[in-house]
Amino acid sequence: ELKVEQNPLFLSMQEGKNYTIYCNYSTTSDRLYWYRQDPGKSLESLFVLLSNGAVKQEGRLMASLDTKARLSTLHITAAVHDLSATYFCAVDPEYTLLQGAQKLVFGQGTRLTINP
Amino acid sequence: DTGVSQNPRHKITKRGQNVTFRCDPISEHNRLYWYRQTLGQGPEFLTYFQNEAQLEKSRLLSDRFSAERPKGSFSTLEIQRTEQGDSAMYLCASSWRGLNNEQFFGPGTRLTVL
Repeated sequence: ELKVEQNPLFLSMQEGKNYTIYCNYSTTSDRLYWYRQDPGKSLESLFVLLSNGAVKQEGRLMASLDTKARLSTLHITAAVHDLSATYFCAVDPEYTLLQGAQKLVFGQGTRLTINP
Repeated sequence: DTGVSQNPRHKITKRGQNVTFRCDPISEHNRLYWYRQTLGQGPEFLTYFQNEAQLEKSRLLSDRFSAERPKGSFSTLEIQRTEQGDSAMYLCASSWRGLNNEQFFGPGTRLTVL
């Protein structure tokens, strides 16, 4: 059974600091998704990583994918309070070019709190 | 608003009652997914449709659960004889089958079973 594990599960940090969230998964997958969720809200798509070595950046967030290591990272640079949220990575293990994506398997989430 | 919409947003029911949720996907999307999320956990896949065909169901979807997508547009998720363990956020997502296949999520329906 596919497992998607995020580390850490809880992270409290100060504004202005840098940190990295790790996402490990247990089966082959060439694509990985990062989502953000605010309390009581739905999921907002942040990044779609479609191949080994993919790197995407948006503002203070940068995501990368290493399919050989089955590892994705979400790096936060000079954190600000507005980035406080829960971040989920998700893997699409059954994707095929013919069928397209089937379903997402999510990690437990990393609850990020950024203090002034 | 052209995003995914879900109704109702909140539902409180008594154990043993039936409930039905509705999801309206982004209009040009041909795939629709249902997920369930409990407190402190990531969403778990329940089922998905391509157009009106239900292509996969999770083992989490017991016989009390049924989903439909008539005419390949909106979808409904019905839970019969609700149990307290059914209390969760039910999320709907839609996507266009293609290279990216990014899934866009609706606001969810929060179900509380008393």
